[in-house]
Amino acid sequence: AQRVTQPEKLLSVFKGAPVELKCNYSYSGSPELFWYVQYSRQRLQLLLRHISRESIKGFTADLNKGETSFHLKKPFAQEEDSAMYYCALRHGANNLFFGTGTRLTVIP
Amino acid sequence: GAVVSQHPSWVICKSGTSVKIECRSLDFQATTMFWYRQFPKQSLMLMATSNEGSKATYEQGVEKDKFLINHASLTLSTLTVTSAHPEDSSFYICSAPTDGMNEQFFGPGTRLTVL
Repeated sequence: AQRVTQPEKLLSVFKGAPVELKCNYSYSGSPELFWYVQYSRQRLQLLLRHISRESIKGFTADLNKGETSFHLKKPFAQEEDSAMYYCALRHGANNLFFGTGTRLTVIP
Repeated sequence: GAVVSQHPSWVICKSGTSVKIECRSLDFQATTMFWYRQFPKQSLMLMATSNEGSKATYEQGVEKDKFLINHASLTLSTLTVTSAHPEDSSFYICSAPTDGMNEQFFGPGTRLTVL
């Protein structure tokens, strides 16, 4: 069965510090992984997906199949990065299986 | 980007009543929509997949007779919580993928409180 684990419910970093939000997955097939973000009072929105191998808002995430991880990283956190972050795995036609989320707070 | 709306944004109802939640894709057509629920401080859990023109597909453990889904058109799916009870109180979120299923767009959610 698929599983997405985000071990940290809360993460606080100072502005300008590096940030890493951890995500580990368990999936028998070939995974397709995503990071979604939810800013305060806004809806859930896609941040990035592993197949795109792109950097969005300074964030990157590399799929490590050996460690079954898809950690989200940013070298210099900004206050506007404070939000709820969800790691998600796509299985089936388009079903998304979400992790429990990590609330990131960037301290000014 | 594509926009998905939900109505109402919040609803309070008495136990035993039924509540209908609408999910609309505003600027694109969605043959498939997804319904999630989210309990406080927990993750989104997929409840069912709504298919235009056919029956919805429910996830294991979700009662199809309690959570009625109707995908009436290519831009509208409704979720009706029948005979609601306090344990049904939750945040219900819908999403719709674009053509090719490359990205899902989420609605703002509906907070249901059953007294």
